[in-house]
Amino acid sequence: QSVLTQPPSASGTPGQRVTISCSGSSSNIGSNTVTWYQQLPGTAPKLLIYSNSHRPSGVPDRFSGSKSGTSASLAISGLQSEDEADYYCAAWDDSLNGLVIFGGGTKLTVL
Amino acid sequence: EVQLVESGGGLVQPGGSLRLSCAASGFTFSSYWMHWVRQAPGKGLVWVSRSNSDGSRTNYADSVKGRFTISRDNAKNTLYLQMNSLRAEDTAVYYCTRVGQLLYPGAFDIWGQGTMVTVSS
Repeated sequence: QSVLTQPPSASGTPGQRVTISCSGSSSNIGSNTVTWYQQLPGTAPKLLIYSNSHRPSGVPDRFSGSKSGTSASLAISGLQSEDEADYYCAAWDDSLNGLVIFGGGTKLTVL
Repeated sequence: EVQLVESGGGLVQPGGSLRLSCAASGFTFSSYWMHWVRQAPGKGLVWVSRSNSDGSRTNYADSVKGRFTISRDNAKNTLYLQMNSLRAEDTAVYYCTRVGQLLYPGAFDIWGQGTMVTVSS
């Protein structure tokens, strides 16, 4: 059972804006930054958002992240078919000797 | 090109052992903390183990503690995961990944392609 809670699925039509939530606690999201990863079918995870809201170079600005208290969100605007993937949030957890935990993942379907 | 390439996966019987390798290239391997993350078929990502940059500090998930050993050879730019007493629930794709430093603090910025480990009789 993941310590970070994500909805198992999300969906949207091309051009829409979708958001994916990630809920944690004071020992993880509440006191550390949140990272988001995108995993396209059959591939390794890819860094999407780091330090709550920053995009690595090459990640489109359609992707944005935010954090408030013990929760975080990933927003995807102008949804495209190639965004269909699994999305995972992650954070370091102070109660686990500062080790990293992942959310259970959200499968995004582009209708 | 910055790259991580895992190898060593395969089919092993319960109770058996495997050693995974992760060859790094395109960056100064000895400067980075490295981790193993696994993903069971159809399931999510689970952190397994980590090593500091010189291998003197290691940590493990409770589920593998006492059975798995992470190590590294900085002269060979290679990370290892020795897996003993394997169980069916260890079946997964194993990824090695690098923790970004100043550029991507605290994030896994580079991932290997993964190597599949199947524990079955």
